Amino acid sequence: NAGVMQNPRHLVRRRGQEARLRCSPMKGHSHVYWYRQLPEEGLKFMVYLQKENIIDESGMPKERFSAEFPKEGPSILRIQQVVRGDSAAYFCASSPPARSYTGELFFGEGSRLTVL
Amino acid sequence: AQSVAQPEDQVNVAEGNPLTVKCTYSVSGNPYLFWYVQYPNRGLQFLLKYITGDNLVKGSYGFEAEFNKSQTSFHLKKPSALVSDSALYFCAVRGDTGGFKTIFGAGTRLFVKA
Repeated sequence: NAGVMQNPRHLVRRRGQEARLRCSPMKGHSHVYWYRQLPEEGLKFMVYLQKENIIDESGMPKERFSAEFPKEGPSILRIQQVVRGDSAAYFCASSPPARSYTGELFFGEGSRLTVL
Repeated sequence: AQSVAQPEDQVNVAEGNPLTVKCTYSVSGNPYLFWYVQYPNRGLQFLLKYITGDNLVKGSYGFEAEFNKSQTSFHLKKPSALVSDSALYFCAVRGDTGGFKTIFGAGTRLFVKA
C-alpha cells in the first residue's frame, strides 16, 4: 500500500522560472494538504484541497503560488517566477475523505526546491 | 485562530534519562492534538494523538503525552531516552470548529547524548 508520493524529491530552478511540485495521496485519500518548511523553521500551512475544490488557501502567498487537485491525477503546487526566498522543503500530506476527520495526516518525503 | 507553541528550540538529555518536549496550544472548540517526528531529509512520521478519553496517550517508540485542558498543554514524554530518539519533534493541533486544517508548532530539536 503505497504512501504519499511526492515528486520531484529535489528541484533546482533559476530565478524567474516556474516550479511544479506533484503529490499523489495515499490510496483512498481524497484530501491533500501542502506545507512549506523553511530552513530551521517549522511547518507552515499553505493550502488544503479536496478533489476539484480548494477548501482553505489561507496560507498561500497572494501572488505566484497556486494549487490544484484535479479529478484525475496528482495534486500540483505551482510556483511561478521563483525567487530565492522560495527555496524550501514542500511537504504534502493526505487524509481520508471527510472534513470532520480527526486522525493524523500522512506525509510524503517532501520536495526540496532550490532557487539559484 | 489556532496556534501551537513549542517554547524550546532544543532539548538536550542524556541517554537513559527521561525526556519532556513541551507544547501548548490555542484552538476554538475541542482540540485534536498530535505529535510527529522528523528525521533529517525525511517527511513527518506520526507518533501519537489525543482525540478524546484518557488524558495520557501512548504512542510509537515508547513515547507518551499528557493532555492538560486547564493548562492547554500536550507535553511529549519518554521515561528513558535513546540516542536514536534524536530528531525534530512537532506538536500539531486541529480544532473541531471552523476549518479543519492542522497547524504545527515551530518544532523542537531533541539531542540525546550517549
